[in-house]
Amino acid sequence: EPEVTQTPSHQVTQMGQEVILRCVPISNHLYFYWYRQILGQKVEFLVSFYNNEISEKSEIFDDQFSVERPDGSNFTLKIRSTKLEDSAMYFCASNGGAETQYFGPGTRLLVL
Amino acid sequence: AQSVTQLDSHVSVSEGTPVLLRCNYSSSYSPSLFWYVQHPNKGLQLLLKYTSAATLVKGINGFEAEFKKSETSFHLTKPSAHMSDAAEYFCVVNNNAGNMLTFGGGTRLMVKP
Repeated sequence: EPEVTQTPSHQVTQMGQEVILRCVPISNHLYFYWYRQILGQKVEFLVSFYNNEISEKSEIFDDQFSVERPDGSNFTLKIRSTKLEDSAMYFCASNGGAETQYFGPGTRLLVL
Repeated sequence: AQSVTQLDSHVSVSEGTPVLLRCNYSSSYSPSLFWYVQHPNKGLQLLLKYTSAATLVKGINGFEAEFKKSETSFHLTKPSAHMSDAAEYFCVVNNNAGNMLTFGGGTRLMVKP
């Protein structure tokens, strides 16, 4: 069964550094998403992406964040200058045009 | 605006007994509702979804949920818990004006032998 994959599974970085989180969505899907879950808090929507552009974003998704689909398979989330409060689990999801989003296993980001 | 409230952060049951995980939602639109499960170190797996067809929805692993519009609820049930059901469960609503999912706070289900 096809699934969404994410790399790395864990990332530790210093405050102020740039990080790129990578996702490979399900191959025939067209809609892509990033969510995050800060420890002990709810899963929160960050951004949705379709047809090579952002279709919706939350107020969390400020200028420090960007997304890109650099090739036909990867979907990335970049955090330009990480802050301590960016420490969270980041989930990528995709869907093929129906309502169900399929999630990856997540990347746990720790900012020191 | 939409929101989801999972009424219990932790539920503990004995193996073989029924499971009830409670969820209430609010939505300005006719909602689509989902339950996802997350096992330790795994991704979020779809258990079941409601998208305005039958109000009683059957999912994987013997779970089901009933959409009750009058009560704005979408509780998840299973007749008999299994040890492998121990996980975190998320009730989720889809804003039909877009694709953004709104998550409840999660319920951690513990199953005692």
